Amino acid sequence: NAGVTQTPKFQVLKTGQSMTLQCAQDMNHEYMSWYRQDPGMGLRLIHYSVGAGITDQGEVPNGYNVSRSTTEDFPLRLLSAAPSQTSVYFCASRSSGAYEQYFGPGTRLTVT
Amino acid sequence: GENVEQHPSTLSVQEGDSAVIKCTYSDSASNYFPWYKQELGKRPQLIIDIRSNVGEKKDQRIAVTLNKTAKHFSLHITETQPEDSAVYFCAADRMDSSYKLIFGSGTRLLVRP
Repeated sequence: NAGVTQTPKFQVLKTGQSMTLQCAQDMNHEYMSWYRQDPGMGLRLIHYSVGAGITDQGEVPNGYNVSRSTTEDFPLRLLSAAPSQTSVYFCASRSSGAYEQYFGPGTRLTVT
Repeated sequence: GENVEQHPSTLSVQEGDSAVIKCTYSDSASNYFPWYKQELGKRPQLIIDIRSNVGEKKDQRIAVTLNKTAKHFSLHITETQPEDSAVYFCAADRMDSSYKLIFGSGTRLLVRP
């Protein structure tokens, strides 16, 4: 199993550009989520999904969209990038019947 | 909304001493409390967790205690070693279909040789 994978590892965007961060898991986990981690801070929940076709907002959803068309994939879309979205983004997943959450390796995003 | 507060933000201890990190949570429905260790440039890694029906759990040099009445839980690391130096995060979750794992702001632990 590859676990939770994220692409790209690094990305630089200009203000106003859009892009999609990819997240995939091969563990058949129902639950998936996106977090952002700013320097010196904890992880803040952006959006989450409890199954294909079901998504909901977390603590800091503004400026981001998600969709969940398959169990495996949970992409995060930045509609119009802003410097305030410079951060490290982590995707995570867990089984609905288990406790442990698995994190992907992260995507470091810089918006200039 | 749900909130998890974590203290201290930085902690420096001498090798061999103990370290204690404390967290409080606001959502009384939370019933799962994991602790993560994050090394520089890496993803968070689960090191220990506790569920609401348990007051204390130990795993070698680390232990976690939970006081549900006061809504706080703590991480204890004994006999600290330089490789314990990292950022530690607490978190809280209801473990229901809402799936909202909320994190504290982190504690940077430095273990001085």
